[in-house]
Amino acid sequence: GAGVSQSPSNKVTEKGKDVELRCDPISGHTALYWYRQSLGQGLEFLIYFQGNSAPDKSGLPSDRFSAERTGGSVSTLTIQRTQQEDSAVYLCASSLGLGDEQYFGPGTRLTVT
Amino acid sequence: GEDVEQSLFLSVREGDSSVINCTYTDSSSTYLYWYKQEPGAGLQLLTYIFSNMDMKQDQRLTVLLNKKDKHLSLRIADTQTGDSAIYFCAESSNYQLIWGAGTKLIIKP
Repeated sequence: GAGVSQSPSNKVTEKGKDVELRCDPISGHTALYWYRQSLGQGLEFLIYFQGNSAPDKSGLPSDRFSAERTGGSVSTLTIQRTQQEDSAVYLCASSLGLGDEQYFGPGTRLTVT
Repeated sequence: GEDVEQSLFLSVREGDSSVINCTYTDSSSTYLYWYKQEPGAGLQLLTYIFSNMDMKQDQRLTVLLNKKDKHLSLRIADTQTGDSAIYFCAESSNYQLIWGAGTKLIIKP
């Protein structure tokens, strides 16, 4: 497709379970970003990938959060042992290069019960 | 650390102008952005301004930047019901975007 896609669109999970969120960036975009949007708050930067460089993980809130980007394309954000405070919309964005205009996916709404 | 602040709500009458304000702290930001988020939709880049500019106009949208006061505003002329959305201000900092909490624009008939 032409835009950034994310799956699933909605995920409900029980506290303590692991979840994986997927992001398909725009073809040819070398940079990929993950953000989290909690209810009533702005977006919080989590991590970005640029090409084959080591990712900038400075925004990950805890060691339960990790992300991979395989083959410089698809990315997976994994949250282990989910907590209720992890409930949020997780947004992925990609850009042609680092610092270029970011295009956002529709997000995955995660609810931890 | 870096911080971006904006009011949470703005209510305007249809046909009036809307002015959404934002303040930021990182004086080294090269770009400042306005994004629009409609219900159930992803974020859409509305417009951006380079830090060496003080104004940018694009159809009904006018962005004003006061770099001295670190103040950014978005003016929407002739506000329509389709402009109902949450508007996010963001500044670029070290290749990351630092975001405000978003301003919900409410249109009154």
